[in-house]
Amino acid sequence: QKEVEQNSGPLSVPEGAIASLNCTYSDRGSQSFFWYRQYSGKSPELIMFIYSNGDKEDGRFTAQLNKASQYVSLLIRDSQPSDSATYLCAVKPGYALNFGKGTSLLVTP
Amino acid sequence: KAGVTQTPRYLIKTRGQQVTLSCSPISGHRSVSWYQQTPGQGLQFLFEYFSETQRNKGNFPGRFSGRQFSNSRSEMNVSTLELGDSALYLCASSRGLAGALEQYFGPGTRLTVT
Repeated sequence: QKEVEQNSGPLSVPEGAIASLNCTYSDRGSQSFFWYRQYSGKSPELIMFIYSNGDKEDGRFTAQLNKASQYVSLLIRDSQPSDSATYLCAVKPGYALNFGKGTSLLVTP
Repeated sequence: KAGVTQTPRYLIKTRGQQVTLSCSPISGHRSVSWYQQTPGQGLQFLFEYFSETQRNKGNFPGRFSGRQFSNSRSEMNVSTLELGDSALYLCASSRGLAGALEQYFGPGTRLTVT
């Protein structure tokens, strides 16, 4: 079974701080990496995707990928209470998304 | 552009019954993938349809089946429902085969089996 591991949290950060979410994966052949945000009772929403080693920035979000270490992370700058949600890391070693169980993020005012 | 739509949003069935769920992808998207989400197992891949053909299948029993129509809309069927089938069923669409492209999820169908 190809594994995608995330710390379940909850990760608690104060408003305005940087939240750092981490994910490791086991399949070295993985080529595509995604971060989804899921609010309670809602479906996952794609917020970032990254295919190459390095950083990719989009607004307050930065995805970081290190294929050698099989590690992908998501940084959220200037965290807001509305960012409180579960963040799912997804890896695509082949045809389907392989999801981690998610990290619960709580941003406190 | 309208997002992925799923119907119905909520469903209650009893053990042994069957159920059909529907998914309409984003306009122009030709791939539809189905996932099951439960608190214990998280999100698990069921199958993917592209151009009316099942292209890939996850590790679920044959009671789970699906199909895709010429307009890319997809249906998923679960026969002989079991209590463990209670879950949120999500479909996701992408422009081409999902192997290399971003997928966008619909709101899901919450199925409760009693």
